[in-house]
Amino acid sequence: EVQLLESGGGLEQPGGSLRLSCAASGFTFNTYAMTWVRQAPGKGLEWVSSISASGDGTYYADSVKGRLTISRDNSKNTLFLHMNSLRADDTAIYFCARIVWAFDHWGQGTPVTVSS
Amino acid sequence: IVLTQSPGTLSLSPGETATLSCRASQSLSRSSSAWYQQKPGQPPRLLIHDASSRATGVPGRFSGSGSGTDFTLSISSLEPEDFAVYYCQQYTGSRYIFGQGTKLEI
Repeated sequence: EVQLLESGGGLEQPGGSLRLSCAASGFTFNTYAMTWVRQAPGKGLEWVSSISASGDGTYYADSVKGRLTISRDNSKNTLFLHMNSLRADDTAIYFCARIVWAFDHWGQGTPVTVSS
Repeated sequence: IVLTQSPGTLSLSPGETATLSCRASQSLSRSSSAWYQQKPGQPPRLLIHDASSRATGVPGRFSGSGSGTDFTLSISSLEPEDFAVYYCQQYTGSRYIFGQGTKLEI
């Protein structure tokens, strides 16, 4: 069974940093591209970033480019999202998902709140 | 590219058929289109990929169609568990875009 478990969210001040993790199991992690999607409170879905199976290709939404960095450790079956220079509008639930044609399996999400 | 979903809210009864629309501001390939269902407090669930292919385990009452700039999700014989928010998604140039969602309510 495919499982994705996010962690690392929490309350952070504007300008601060967080690192989100997504632990994957139930599939061969290093053969799938992965992605992060966020959802602000009461709002719709926003694609944040994606990474190729090997990790050598990374892609970002304009809203996060230069502040958020996606990475993966295929030896540990883990996806990361490094978040710097956090802003209030980064407040959201952050989901990781596996990419197969579209986003076929999702984690439950981890909440990030940016507030002073 | 902007995806516009309509209507914003659709009010129907169990047993009826729902038709949800997603219009793109530019023409896109069929293979880039997907639909998701999201219920409160849950992550999204993939329903349709490649415009018309049902994801594993998705009931046959869900169907997708369309090409170019107009894509449609149809749900026939609505079941109580189908009332949720639905999002369309397009993939283009290594980026993904979501529509703003359609709320299907009883």
